[in-house]
Amino acid sequence: EVQLLESGGGLVQPGGSLRLSCAASGFTFSSYAMSWVRQAPGKGLEWVSGIGNSGSGTYYADSVKGRFTISRDNSKNTLYLQMNSLRVDDTAMYYCAKKVAGSNPFDYWGQGTLVTVSS
Amino acid sequence: DIQMTQSPSSLSASVGDRVTITCRASQSISSYLNWYQQKPGKAPNLLIYAASSLQSGVPSRFSGSGSGTDFTLTISTLQPEDFATYYCQQSYNIPWTFGQGTEVEIK
Repeated sequence: EVQLLESGGGLVQPGGSLRLSCAASGFTFSSYAMSWVRQAPGKGLEWVSGIGNSGSGTYYADSVKGRFTISRDNSKNTLYLQMNSLRVDDTAMYYCAKKVAGSNPFDYWGQGTLVTVSS
Repeated sequence: DIQMTQSPSSLSASVGDRVTITCRASQSISSYLNWYQQKPGKAPNLLIYAASSLQSGVPSRFSGSGSGTDFTLTISTLQPEDFATYYCQQSYNIPWTFGQGTEVEIK
């Protein structure tokens, strides 16, 4: 059974940093691209960042480019999102999602970890 | 960036109704269109991929159609467990973008 378990969320002040993790199991992690998708309270879904199966290709939404860094450790079956210079409008539930590389859907999602940016 | 626009934003329907949700892309995305269902407090769940392919385990009352810029999600006979928010998403190019969502409520 595919499982994605996010952790690392919490309350942080504007300008602060957080590192999110997503532990994967039930599939060959190193064979799949991964992404982070967020959802602000009461709002829709926003793709944040993606990474290829080997980690060689990384992609970002303009809203987080230069502030967030996606990475993965295939030996630990874990995806990461380093978030720096956090802003109030980064407040959201952050989901990790699995996809086959290329023009394919997000076929499995974790349950999310909540990030709240507030003073 | 490709903009995805869903209509309606919300709808009220009764159990047994046929429900149709539309999604329009700001440019042609071929058939690279996916549909997700999200229930309150839960992660999204993939329903339809490549515009019309049913994800494994999804009931056959869900169907998708369209290509180019115009797409539809149809629920043939609405069931109580189908009351949720539905999102379309283009996987044609990065940044992957979602529609704003359509909330299906109980009439």
